[in-house]
Amino acid sequence: GQNIDQPTEMTATEGAIVQINCTYQTSGFNGLFWYQQHAGEAPTFLSYNVLDGLEEKGRFSSFLSRSKGYSYLLLKELQMKDSASYLCAAMDSNYQLIWGAGTKLIIKP
Amino acid sequence: GAVVSQHPSWVICKSGTSVKIECRSLDFQATTMFWYRQFPKQSLMLMATSNEGSKATYEQGVEKDKFLINHASLTLSTLTVTSAHPEDSSFYICSAKGGSQWEWQFFGPGTRLTVL
Repeated sequence: GQNIDQPTEMTATEGAIVQINCTYQTSGFNGLFWYQQHAGEAPTFLSYNVLDGLEEKGRFSSFLSRSKGYSYLLLKELQMKDSASYLCAAMDSNYQLIWGAGTKLIIKP
Repeated sequence: GAVVSQHPSWVICKSGTSVKIECRSLDFQATTMFWYRQFPKQSLMLMATSNEGSKATYEQGVEKDKFLINHASLTLSTLTVTSAHPEDSSFYICSAKGGSQWEWQFFGPGTRLTVL
């Protein structure tokens, strides 16, 4: 079957760095997405990886290892506004997104 | 670019009535639109996928006669919840795919439906 695993909740301190891991199993693979979702709002796109390696975009970076079925989202210089759920989603061979349950990130001052 | 709007943002209705939710891609042509439902503190659940001009593909367990989807143009898809019941109360989110960034789904702001 198809499955996405990510931690349910993480806590970090303002100004610090946090890494949110995601492992996936899909029928075929056409890329790995990260979305941010604030409470009561729709998800917003953060990153897309289809090749192995690290993609850096400002304070956020995303990493992919296709051979390991593994990705992580790295958030640097954490700000209080980064408190949100972070959704990992893998695109299968039918170009359909398989969603993880999301990681709720709590930022403490 | 890549803006998706949804209307209404929130709606309260009586049990047994029907509610229509519109999803529009404002600055690109959406070849595919997706409808999701999200219950509190749960992940997004895909309800159906619609391609312009063809019938929607519903996920297992989603009643196609209850959740009517019409993708009449490349910029508009509608979801009608027929004979709504309190258990249909949820956050309904659409997303659209198309344009140069074809892999990405861009989400609408969501519609919060409360059925009394």
